[in-house]
Amino acid sequence: GGIITQTPKFLIGQEGQKLTLKCQQNFNHDTMYWYRQDSGKGLRLIYYSITENDLQKGDLSEGYDASREKKSSFSLTVTSAQKNEMAVFLCASSWWAYSYEQYFGPGTRLTVL
Amino acid sequence: GDSVTQTEGLVTLTEGLPVMLNCTYQTAYSTFLFWYVQHLNEAPKLLLKSSTDNKRTEHQGFHATLHKSSSSFHLQKSSAQLSDSALYYCALSVNTGANTGKLTFGHGTILRVHP
Repeated sequence: GGIITQTPKFLIGQEGQKLTLKCQQNFNHDTMYWYRQDSGKGLRLIYYSITENDLQKGDLSEGYDASREKKSSFSLTVTSAQKNEMAVFLCASSWWAYSYEQYFGPGTRLTVL
Repeated sequence: GDSVTQTEGLVTLTEGLPVMLNCTYQTAYSTFLFWYVQHLNEAPKLLLKSSTDNKRTEHQGFHATLHKSSSSFHLQKSSAQLSDSALYYCALSVNTGANTGKLTFGHGTILRVHP
């Protein structure tokens, strides 16, 4: 088995601040993903990466940057946090094929004051 | 584009009654359908998956059958338990040739089971 860890668990920032969320996996999976979870809106894909140093934009990439410098880690940066923003950011990983499930981390809860 | 529709945002049931959560999808490609379950303050985890038309898939008391003719993959359980209370997501993965493992999720259905 393996595990996905996300840090920090809770992130509180100020409006306009640049904030970074980190994700690590030890499954040795090729592909990693960042999702934003808002109540009633499902899981929306922000960025994904097929292999290290690869980045692909998802449906919600505006306002975010991502970085995959190692196969095991994937970072997400909120470039300018918006006031009253509150969401959970979930990291996931999987093998590189459409038949494989994704494994999720426990999430980072973001609050912007 | 590809899409997944979960018609119910919230389903409230009495313990012991049957569960049915609806999922329909749209895509032009061959597919895998997934059900994920997320308990409060936990990560989503896989409950079921299928790509075989008209074959029932079961796990942990839940079952679903992919019907390609109606583009549906409804989740069912014969008798709800209090511990089934959670958020359930239906998700779609398509085979376009550029296999990335990318999933398209529905908006999710909250299942609340009460005594």
